[in-house]
Amino acid sequence: AQKVTQAQTEISVVEKEDVTLDCVYETRDTTYYLFWYKQPPSGELVFLIRRNSFDEQNEISGRYSWNFQKSTSSFNFTITASQVVDSAVYFCALSGRAAGNKLTFGGGTRVLVKP
Amino acid sequence: DVKVTQSSRYLVKRTGEKVFLECVQDMDHENMFWYRQDPGLGLRLIYFSYDVKMKEKGDIPEGYSVSREKKERFSLILESASTNQTSMYLCASSADRGLTDTQYFGPGTRLTVL
Repeated sequence: AQKVTQAQTEISVVEKEDVTLDCVYETRDTTYYLFWYKQPPSGELVFLIRRNSFDEQNEISGRYSWNFQKSTSSFNFTITASQVVDSAVYFCALSGRAAGNKLTFGGGTRVLVKP
Repeated sequence: DVKVTQSSRYLVKRTGEKVFLECVQDMDHENMFWYRQDPGLGLRLIYFSYDVKMKEKGDIPEGYSVSREKKERFSLILESASTNQTSMYLCASSADRGLTDTQYFGPGTRLTVL
């Protein structure tokens, strides 16, 4: 079985603050993929990033960065200099062979950025 | 750009009604998925399909069925809607069956069963 835990249910920050979203996962697979999605108030999940289990390099895309640490089974996501448009629910997800390649989602973290 | 559309954004039905939720993707994707989203539970997989006329149960299939007669269209059916099926329903599609799949989502249908 595989499991994804997002311990933070809601985070509130003031614009321009940095915010880090935690994601911890469990899997018995050695090969797996991790994902982050953003769900703005409109409802549609927007794909942000996919990372495979063999690539532990951190990734940066604009104000977004991701820290993958296999040793702690974590795939954390940081928004630097947050903006109001970053207000959304963010989901971490895991895909592995043990679960038939299906995506397992965490419970989501709601980020509220106040002006 | 991948485009996944769902027939309704909001739907209100009565207990016992038969409900159809439609999903269409325009990228010739092989795989299609139906999820429901509830607060604190994230997304849970109801059914998925890897090919036309093929379907497989997800984690919570009870009370639902699906139909995939054409590659681009995947329907979710609630045979007799109940109040505990009030939820947000999200459809997704992906190109191939491998682990590298990225699923692309539609805007969701918020269903209320009275």
